[in-house]
Amino acid sequence: GAVVSQHPSRVICKSGTSVKIECRSLDFQATTMFWYRQFPKKSLMLMATSNEGSKATYEQGVEKDKFLINHASLTLSTLTVTSAHPEDSSFYICSASRAGASNQPQHFGDGTRLSIL
Amino acid sequence: KNEVEQSPQNLTAQEGEFITINCSYSVGISALHWLQQHPGGGIVSLFMLSSGKKKHGRLIATINIQEKHSSLHITASHPRDSAVYICAVRSRGYGGATNKLIFGTGTLLAVQP
Repeated sequence: GAVVSQHPSRVICKSGTSVKIECRSLDFQATTMFWYRQFPKKSLMLMATSNEGSKATYEQGVEKDKFLINHASLTLSTLTVTSAHPEDSSFYICSASRAGASNQPQHFGDGTRLSIL
Repeated sequence: KNEVEQSPQNLTAQEGEFITINCSYSVGISALHWLQQHPGGGIVSLFMLSSGKKKHGRLIATINIQEKHSSLHITASHPRDSAVYICAVRSRGYGGATNKLIFGTGTLLAVQP
């Protein structure tokens, strides 16, 4: 079956550093990937839609300069949390679906737990 | 009011019990997903359906498009079924080609041995 790999699974770092999270589709091409943030005991909140070869589409209230998204290939999207602060600590998860057809099931990564000290 | 509502929010069951989780939505949709999230955080897609009923092992998902309602059933529940179950819909208004989802708040299921 389709697999989405997300790396790293856990990051602990100091305030002010930038953190890059990778999302890879391992056995299919994905023109679109999604980045979500999840607070404890809350549902997923869509942050942005990552589009291969073009700019990401950010949801209202999400800072573009804070959360940089790059989707340079059909199998890889990256989310960079720039100058991270403790309030950025959260669980980040990506998803992807196969390119070329609408109404495809989404496949989720295992998530990245980010802790900023 | 959320566009996707789930009930119950929390559910505790004894091993072997039949479990039902409900999802109601208020938007026009092209598909509905049932997802499972374990304590570690990873999410598994259980079903994607746009009509009728699907079955996979002990799991059954149904959807009634006219009533804008879906149910997830677990037969012969087991402690390993303990997880958060999330209903998510792909709204027609968001454009089906992007596969963007709207999520319910989840149902925390605990199955006790």
